This record gives sequence, C-alpha cells and structure tokens, in this order.
Amino acid sequence: GESVGLHLPTLSVQEGDNSIINCAYSNSASDYFIWYKQESGKGPQFIIDIRSNMDKRQGQRVTVLLNKTVKHLSLQIAATQPGDSAVYFCAERFVDDMRFGAGTRLTVKP
Amino acid sequence: GAGVSQSPSNKVTEKGKDVELRCDPISGHTALYWYRQSLGQGLEFLIYFQGNSAPDKSGLPSDRFSAERTGGSVSTLTIQRTQQEDSAVYLCASSFGPEGYNEQFFGPGTRLTVL
Repeated sequence: GESVGLHLPTLSVQEGDNSIINCAYSNSASDYFIWYKQESGKGPQFIIDIRSNMDKRQGQRVTVLLNKTVKHLSLQIAATQPGDSAVYFCAERFVDDMRFGAGTRLTVKP
Repeated sequence: GAGVSQSPSNKVTEKGKDVELRCDPISGHTALYWYRQSLGQGLEFLIYFQGNSAPDKSGLPSDRFSAERTGGSVSTLTIQRTQQEDSAVYLCASSFGPEGYNEQFFGPGTRLTVL
C-alpha cells in the first residue's frame, strides 16, 4: 500500500505468509530511512533502518528494500505472525528533517 | 532503562480551554520532537528542540500552539483555546542528537479529546 492519503491502506495476510508493505517517499535527497511499527494504543517502535547508499538490509524476519530511482521503500516480513498486526510507517530524513508516511495497517489472519 | 514518558495519557477538555502536555525524554537525549497523530492518519511533525532551543517550529499548526523546553530535558506543549480539530494523539520522541543518523524513541502519547 502507499503511504499517502487520508485513509490508511490496509493489508491482510494469512499467518505464516510473507508480507510486503510499500512506501513512496517524497524527497530524492533523503539519505536515511526508517520503518516503524505502531500497535494500537502505543507509540511507534523502530523496526529497521537503511541508508541511501544501500539497496537492501536484513534484520530478524524483516527486510527493507530501497529503490532510489523511483523513490520507493518496502518492508518485507517473513512468516507473518499475529503479533505483527499493527500500523507500519516509513520515515525519511533529510538533514534534520524527518517526515513520516501515513502508514499501512497490517492485519494477520490466524 | 526508562524510555520517553508523557503525561497525561488521556486528556478530555472542553472547547476553548487551555491544555498542557508534558514529555520527559530519555536522559541524555538532546533532541526532542513533538508530533500529532489524528485518527487514521500518519504522524504530523509539530516542533523540534535541540537542547532548549527550537530551530524548527514550522509544524505548529497555529499560534494557539506553543512549546517550551527547560533545562534541556522536560518539554511542555501548550494548546490555548482548544478546538475540536485539535483532538488527536500527541506523541513526543527524543534522540541522542540531530547529527548523523539517530533513531527517535517515542513515548506512548497523550490522547487529547476536545468536546
């Protein structure tokens, strides 16, 4: 789903499947990107980051891909679990300015 | 260790009243950010502090909004003459410093409801 607009895009996946959440960022000069997870009633939680000199970075069950040509960022979650249900935000940083996308709501069906 | 804390967790107020929201950043973090999150929407940047100064106030939506930070630690966001459109979750975040690539750690937020 995209990260702009007034209505949160949603993604529904089956437990155990892989999830891919997409984000279009705005500034081609942004040099640092972060994915956050926000569970209901809680503040955002850092998941994984990537610098603009990289195309891919892997964490535990998560992978972030960066395509600077089209200003696109994606978060891949392997073997999605019910605890992964949350809203996922991407953020871009340009100098001291950090901007967030609206987020995508991920729902995991058991 | 202690994370970012915010108080109150919930605030219900009447239209026209003033409210104060408090943020206690992680000890040693020099940068502090305020964001607003309206229902179903993304994070909206409000203001950024480096120490006690606010080099970026561009996100404050109107002159009814103000923020201060004293002693390079606690910050207060004040909304005067609250309006119903001010209803949102107000999130505070802190980071070690603005230089380089510093992760922002978020507090749990204050849910403001203006009746």
